[in-house]
Amino acid sequence: DAGVIQSPRHEVTEMGQEVTLRCKPISGHDYLFWYRQTMMRGLELLIYFNNNVPIDDSGMPEDRFSAKMPNASFSTLKIQPSEPRDSAVYFCASRGSSGTTQYFGPGTRLLVL
Amino acid sequence: GENVEQHPSTLSVQEGDSAVIKCTYSDSASNYFPWYKQELGKGPQLIIDIRSNVGEKKDQRIAVTLNKTAKHFSLHITETQPEDSAVYFCAASNGNNRLAFGKGNQVVVIP
Repeated sequence: DAGVIQSPRHEVTEMGQEVTLRCKPISGHDYLFWYRQTMMRGLELLIYFNNNVPIDDSGMPEDRFSAKMPNASFSTLKIQPSEPRDSAVYFCASRGSSGTTQYFGPGTRLLVL
Repeated sequence: GENVEQHPSTLSVQEGDSAVIKCTYSDSASNYFPWYKQELGKGPQLIIDIRSNVGEKKDQRIAVTLNKTAKHFSLHITETQPEDSAVYFCAASNGNNRLAFGKGNQVVVIP
């Protein structure tokens, strides 16, 4: 299996621009998680889906962040408008319903200028 | 919610020596404790995990111990090698699909 796939791997944008991060989970996994990693706050869970349905979005910072999962093989995390404090590495992870291990993608390193 | 603390933040060891990383958690209902290794430019990867009904688990050179009474768990790496240099994260979950991660430990193995 190819593992969790994320794109782009790096994104540099200017404040105010819209940013869309993409994730393809491992085939057959029905849980998908979005995390943000910063030096100050470590790894934070933003939102997770089960069977394409958002279950817990309590970690989403504010209305500028939104996430969708239109089908079992694709999810997006959108930031609009982006701000410098959104600069971080964003990870997507997936997990099967019968397991406990979350498999992380390589991450998207976002820099907002 | 669950709060996980890791100590020390940075650990340097001589190649061949052992490394120990300790984590504490706050939620007594937590019952699943994984450890992840993150290499530079990559996502975290699970290396070992333990459930609350087990006190110790070992996999080759790595082991994890759990003390439920004291609410702490530790990662032990024996015979360290340069490829063990990475950031290690502990996490805890009470089965609600949420993993609460510690801030991570930078382990440096000196050849």
